[in-house]
Amino acid sequence: EAGVTQFPSHSVIEKGQTVTLRCDPISGHDNLYWYRRVMGKEIKFLLHFVKESKQDESGMPNNRFLAERTGGTYSTLKVQPAELEDSGVYFCASSQWQGLNIQYFGAGTRLSVL
Amino acid sequence: GENVEQHPSTLSVQEGDSAVIKCTYSDSASNYFPWYKQELGKGPQLIIDIRSNVGEKKDQRIAVTLNKTAKHFSLHITETQPEDSAVYFCAVPLGGGSNYKLTFGKGTLLTVNP
Repeated sequence: EAGVTQFPSHSVIEKGQTVTLRCDPISGHDNLYWYRRVMGKEIKFLLHFVKESKQDESGMPNNRFLAERTGGTYSTLKVQPAELEDSGVYFCASSQWQGLNIQYFGAGTRLSVL
Repeated sequence: GENVEQHPSTLSVQEGDSAVIKCTYSDSASNYFPWYKQELGKGPQLIIDIRSNVGEKKDQRIAVTLNKTAKHFSLHITETQPEDSAVYFCAVPLGGGSNYKLTFGKGTLLTVNP
C-alpha cells in the first residue's frame, strides 16, 4: 500500500513568488491534514479536510495560504506571495476516520524562501 | 488551546541503555496520546499510542506510560540500538473533544552511540 506522498520534496523560491505544494493521501482516506514545522519550533496544525470539504482551517496563518482538495483526492497548498517566515517543512497526513485514529504522515516538503 | 511540553530536547545514550522521554499536557479532556519517530529525510511515523483507558502499553522494546492525574505520558525505549537514533515527538489532540488535530511537543533528538 502506498503511503502519503508529497511533492516536491524541496522547493527554493524568492520572496514574493508563488509555490504550490501537493499531497496525495493514502487511497481511501477521507481525512487529510496539513501541518508545518518552522525552524526550531514544534509541528503545528494548519487545516483539515474531510473529503473535499474544509473541516477546520483554524491553523492557517493568513490569507496568503490557500488549500484545496478538489474531488476529495489529492490536496494542494498554495502560498502566494511567499514571505521569508513561510520557510519550513510542510507535512501532510491522512487518516481513515476522524477521532482517535492514526494519522499517517508524508515525508514533507521543505520550503525555503530567500 | 492545548499546551504540550516535551523533555529532554536532546538525549544521548550508549547502545543497550534505556531512554525515557516525557511529555506533559494541559487539557484534561485529552484521551489519545501518540508518539512519532522522525528519521532523517522522512516524515513522522507513529511508533506507539495509548488511549486514556489504560496506563501502560508495550510493544517489544518500546513502551508508553500514562498518568492522567498528573497529565503526563512517557516513552520508554529499552535495549537501545543505533537505528533508534531519530527525533521523537509526542502529540495530543488539540482542544478537548477535537480529536482529529494534533498538538506536538518540540521533539527530542535521541542519539544512540554504538
